[in-house]
Amino acid sequence: DGGITQSPKYLFRKEGQNVTLSCEQNLNHDAMYWYRQDPGQGLRLIYYSQIVNDFQKGDIAEGYSVSREKKESFPLTVTSAQKNPTAFYLCASSIPGGLREAFFGQGTRLTVV
Amino acid sequence: GQQLNQSPQSMFIQEGEDVSMNCTSSSIFNTWLWYKQEPGEGPVLLIALYKAGELTSNGRLTAQFGITRKDSFLNISASIPSDVGIYFCAGQLAGAQKLVFGQGTRLTINP
Repeated sequence: DGGITQSPKYLFRKEGQNVTLSCEQNLNHDAMYWYRQDPGQGLRLIYYSQIVNDFQKGDIAEGYSVSREKKESFPLTVTSAQKNPTAFYLCASSIPGGLREAFFGQGTRLTVV
Repeated sequence: GQQLNQSPQSMFIQEGEDVSMNCTSSSIFNTWLWYKQEPGEGPVLLIALYKAGELTSNGRLTAQFGITRKDSFLNISASIPSDVGIYFCAGQLAGAQKLVFGQGTRLTINP
């Protein structure tokens, strides 16, 4: 079945450590996105990529980094520079040519301990 | 970034009641999407709207793309317990390549 897979579901990180969240899709979508969700909040865009080997910063990119070496994969690294990394992270992808319908993964809950 | 004002923030209703929520903005949107999110899960797309004035249904759900292209509403008729969750609107600004999300409407249903 086609879909978007995020892993792991839960992640614990010590302060000062970098951590990478995985996002893989087999929908043949060109565009992929990372969002952050805090309790009681909407989704805020971290980074997005319209095509392989290209990506743009979203509204809250500071303290995060991404790569897009393959069409299917868009990993997100939460660096030690991110001051408040505890959140629910969501990956999405959409059909070529825009964001007409974005489909989401199941999310990764990151907790800094 | 751009803001979408989604209201109400929360709703407490009795099973069987109808529900209405909306999103407004000062900006013009090309696309409106409505999602439902359950605890610990990713949002699931419910309805997509692409034209001003468009009215689309998905079972008991009905959504409309406002004529001004600055708003959208979602109605749920005859609510049932599995409708519980957080509903988000999302819009794609004209000329933009990313979605803007509302703050969500948390729906609670008393059986």
